[in-house]
Amino acid sequence: SAVISQKPSRDICQRGTSLTIQCQVDSQVTMMFWYRQQPGQSLTLIATANQGSEATYESGFVIDKFPISRPNLTFSTLTVSNMSPEDSSIYLCSVGTGPKGYTFGSGTRLTVV
Amino acid sequence: GQSLEQPSEVTAVEGAIVQINCTYQTSGFYGLSWYQQHDGGAPTFLSYNGLDGLEETGRFSSFLSRSDSYGYLLLQELQMKDSASYFCAVLNSNSGYALNFGKGTSLLVTP
Repeated sequence: SAVISQKPSRDICQRGTSLTIQCQVDSQVTMMFWYRQQPGQSLTLIATANQGSEATYESGFVIDKFPISRPNLTFSTLTVSNMSPEDSSIYLCSVGTGPKGYTFGSGTRLTVV
Repeated sequence: GQSLEQPSEVTAVEGAIVQINCTYQTSGFYGLSWYQQHDGGAPTFLSYNGLDGLEETGRFSSFLSRSDSYGYLLLQELQMKDSASYFCAVLNSNSGYALNFGKGTSLLVTP
């Protein structure tokens, strides 16, 4: 399975600012996904980011708020824009290399103050 | 839309067997996966069922019945380190083969 390096691991940000989260994968993968997880809650899919096409966002998530870049098969970024305290959460990227090959980054714990 | 239902909490004794059930309603169902997540950690893959039946991986087994939209994770010979959250997740062909997660089951293993 692919190994993902995600950064930053945590950050405290002022409301109204933006944070860009990066995920670097150790192999080329087509399918990459971004999730949000509130502490003690489940993972909610934000968007699917396949290389060569625009990201596909789930209901409740929009590109202006969560722009995603996928410049190649090993890298992606998620930006959380114009942050508010409600955006405080853990953000995780994930890649899939087959039904048994889904792995996750270690997560970015974001606190907006 | 889609939904996945699993118990919110389960408590079991070390050495025992525990079963965590998952029922789902979804379009685009491709398969059912199970993930373990310890506090502060990333989810890690446990098991996957694409076809009906039982899959066994060491102390963990998973079962799927597509006709009943039902699956379960079976954990045997429980150890203290198995205390964690367990998520069932549907692999969904309508979401670009993303995993859509249930709410999770918090398992507490006691001495």
